[in-house]
Amino acid sequence: DAGVIQSPRHEVTEMGQEVTLRCKPISGHDYLFWYRQTMMRGLELLIYFNNNVPIDDSGMPEDRFSAKMPNASFSTLKIQPSEPRDSAVYFCASSLVDAQFFGPGTRLTVL
Amino acid sequence: QQQVKQSPQSLIVQKGGISIINCAYENTAFDYFPWYQQFPGKGPALLIAIRPDVSEKKEGRFTISFNKSAKQFSLHIMDSQPGDSATYFCAASSASGTDKLIFGTGTRLQVFP
Repeated sequence: DAGVIQSPRHEVTEMGQEVTLRCKPISGHDYLFWYRQTMMRGLELLIYFNNNVPIDDSGMPEDRFSAKMPNASFSTLKIQPSEPRDSAVYFCASSLVDAQFFGPGTRLTVL
Repeated sequence: QQQVKQSPQSLIVQKGGISIINCAYENTAFDYFPWYQQFPGKGPALLIAIRPDVSEKKEGRFTISFNKSAKQFSLHIMDSQPGDSATYFCAASSASGTDKLIFGTGTRLQVFP
């Protein structure tokens, strides 16, 4: 299997713009997680899905963030409007029963 | 109560030495404790994990020691190699891969030849 796939790998945008991050989980995995990593806050969960249904979105910072999982093989994390403090590396991870497998991440820079 | 405290923040070890990283938790509902290894520019990769029904788990040069009563667990890297230089994160969750992981703050390990 190809592992968790994320796109784009790098995104540079200007404050106020809409940003969409994409994730393709490992085939057959029914849990999908979005994490954010920053120097100040470390690795923190934003939201996770089970069978395409959001289970816990308590980590989503504010209404500017939204996530969807329209089918078992695709998820998006959208930030609208983006702000400089959203600059971070965003990871998607998927799991079936046990270990969570992380993608390579999207490095987002908001100017 | 959701925190996982990790120490040290950074660690320098000579090649062939033992690297030890410690973590502590408070939430007794946690029942799955993985360690992740992260290289610069990469996503975290699962290294080894343990559940509270055992006190130790070994995979190659990597060993997790678990102390349920003290609510502490640690990663030991035996015969540390320069290729082990990375950031290590401990984590905890209440349902293995099906619940959110609470991560420690990370330990940057440098192994010098």
